[in-house]
Amino acid sequence: DQQVKQNSPSLSVQEGRISILNCDYTNSMFDYFLWYKKYPAEGPTFLISISSIKDKNEDGRFTVFLNKSAKHLSLHIVPSQPGDSAVYFCAATGSFGNEKLTFGTGTRLTIIP
Amino acid sequence: EPEVTQTPSHQVTQMGQEVILRCVPISNHLYFYWYRQILGQKVEFLVSFYNNEISEKSEIFDDQFSVERPDGSNFTLKIRSTKLEDSAMYFCASRYRDRGELFFGEGSRLTVL
Repeated sequence: DQQVKQNSPSLSVQEGRISILNCDYTNSMFDYFLWYKKYPAEGPTFLISISSIKDKNEDGRFTVFLNKSAKHLSLHIVPSQPGDSAVYFCAATGSFGNEKLTFGTGTRLTIIP
Repeated sequence: EPEVTQTPSHQVTQMGQEVILRCVPISNHLYFYWYRQILGQKVEFLVSFYNNEISEKSEIFDDQFSVERPDGSNFTLKIRSTKLEDSAMYFCASRYRDRGELFFGEGSRLTVL
């Protein structure tokens, strides 16, 4: 039951260029979306989120775009830096009560110096 | 900066043994979660806990699993009789209110032999 999908398991980007990570979801009840970054042997770290009432949210080098009709969101990182190399997880939640997060499978981003 | 702390960082156990993983959530948080990540797979929801009771659990969280908040600060996950397939990273997470980002601990790696 893959309600949140990240179809690219890996992505390599040159330092200084834009990294675009994509995420699709199937559950129309999801109304809040988050991106987490994860280094090996560490817990996920929150990056940025977006509510379904918005289509864009920006925080420094990170911008998340939400296309509700397509059930698609993306994370843009610009400019990409070597420290951005990590696994990025998209997560979604809705007004279900306990607000658990449903995670995607992750995309491993490698920034090439 | 407040953080979620987990112990032990790594536990090796024999199949059939009981394991207790411990977590200290951020002090003013009200919602508590356990997630796990089998190597190379996505982060999976196990259980959520609010107001001293389980609010939701996944199919993974069978009778071998239990959670407890014994003293108002610790939040524990017990696996009564471990199986090989329980080998994973277990992440504790907490949140202050019913929406917003989860804060994750660094994880406890469980290896079942």
